[in-house]
Amino acid sequence: GQQVMQIPQYQHVQEGEDFTTYCNSSTTLSNIQWYKQRPGGHPVFLIQLVKSGEVKKQKRLTFQFGEAKKNSSLHITATQTTDVGTYFCAGLAYNTDKLIFGTGTRLQVFP
Amino acid sequence: DAGVTQSPTHLIKTRGQHVTLRCSPISGHKSVSWYQQVLGQGPQFIFQYYEKEERGRGNFPDRFSARQFPNYSSELNVNALLLGDSALYLCASSWWGTTSNYGYTFGSGTRLTVV
Repeated sequence: GQQVMQIPQYQHVQEGEDFTTYCNSSTTLSNIQWYKQRPGGHPVFLIQLVKSGEVKKQKRLTFQFGEAKKNSSLHITATQTTDVGTYFCAGLAYNTDKLIFGTGTRLQVFP
Repeated sequence: DAGVTQSPTHLIKTRGQHVTLRCSPISGHKSVSWYQQVLGQGPQFIFQYYEKEERGRGNFPDRFSARQFPNYSSELNVNALLLGDSALYLCASSWWGTTSNYGYTFGSGTRLTVV
């Protein structure tokens, strides 16, 4: 079945450093979504990417969808302590209604 | 406007028992999805319902079942509980299923502990 993997599993950074998480799907995706889950919380929707090669920005966050629509990345510039949490990508394959979540990258930011 | 509401918030059950978890989506949302999240892992897809019809099923045994009611609320039922069913069960609602530009809105979840 469809699998979505993320690397790294964990990332510890000093506040102000940049952070990137990578997402890879075993199948070509119709779209990919990104979510953030704070410790003890539930996933919160950040963004959806649909087009091959698409790049979207939200303030310090930059999201990319690969040309082959099988991979994606999230880059955070100048991390802040409020960025702490686990970041999940979630992919939707063609001809399916199953949104499959990735394994997640847990970000810890030290002041 | 209320968000996605799940009940109960916490639940302790004994092995072999049955459990019913409930979810009320955001008003106007017609799609509900259920996920199981074990501590330290990503949410695992269980079911998706849209307009009261099952649109997707994940790799879970037949002990797991769900339904969506005319008011778009949903129930997740798990029979013959096992210790491994202990997890956070998340409900998510959206406008058009998986293609909404607004993504899924998750509830706070039901923490199920099987002893």
